[in-house]
Amino acid sequence: EAGVAQSPRYKIIEKRQSVAFWCNPISGHATLYWYQQILGQGPKLLIQFQNNGVVDDSQLPKDRFSAERLKGVDSTLKIQPAKLEDSAVYLCASSFTQQSEAFFGQGTRLTVV
Amino acid sequence: DAKTTQPPSMDCAEGRAANLPCNHSTISGNEYVYWYRQIHSQGPQYIIHGLKNNETNEMASLIITEDRKSSTLILPHATLRDTAVYYCIVSKTGANSKLTFGKGITLSVRP
Repeated sequence: EAGVAQSPRYKIIEKRQSVAFWCNPISGHATLYWYQQILGQGPKLLIQFQNNGVVDDSQLPKDRFSAERLKGVDSTLKIQPAKLEDSAVYLCASSFTQQSEAFFGQGTRLTVV
Repeated sequence: DAKTTQPPSMDCAEGRAANLPCNHSTISGNEYVYWYRQIHSQGPQYIIHGLKNNETNEMASLIITEDRKSSTLILPHATLRDTAVYYCIVSKTGANSKLTFGKGITLSVRP
């Protein structure tokens, strides 16, 4: 079974630039999560989708971050404009239901300089 | 969701059992205990979860106390590849359940 695919693996941008991350969840998984993991900390949930609807985006900085999940499958997370403190690993995960175990991708390491 | 408390780190010898504790004293009746681990430079990996009965799978065993206020993840024969950060998470069932990660416990397995 293919896992959660994320791209790119690494990205370096200058502050105030924009960046987008892509996630392809495991086929058939209705729930999709985006997490931000700053070095030395546990992952922080940014947004959770159930199919193509948002379940929770309470910790998403909506002035600069946006996410969508068109057709309830792939998802993109965008940052515009980026700040230095956005440097982190962005993890995508999916699960069959909201209660079942989540499978994580390898993440995208973003460095803002 | 109830909060969890884990010691920051522990170590164990290769081949021995690793017992990782977690306190969740404010857990409510409809909240499950989940364990994930994160090996360096990888995404978190699901290990096991349970409600009130002890659970075992090919990776580990989960022991939940009768009052459900604490639990222990047991890796029966730790290997060097088990060196990772282990996260204990309490999460509600039903709609809008979510996984909230804390700082976890860093397990170091020594040769």
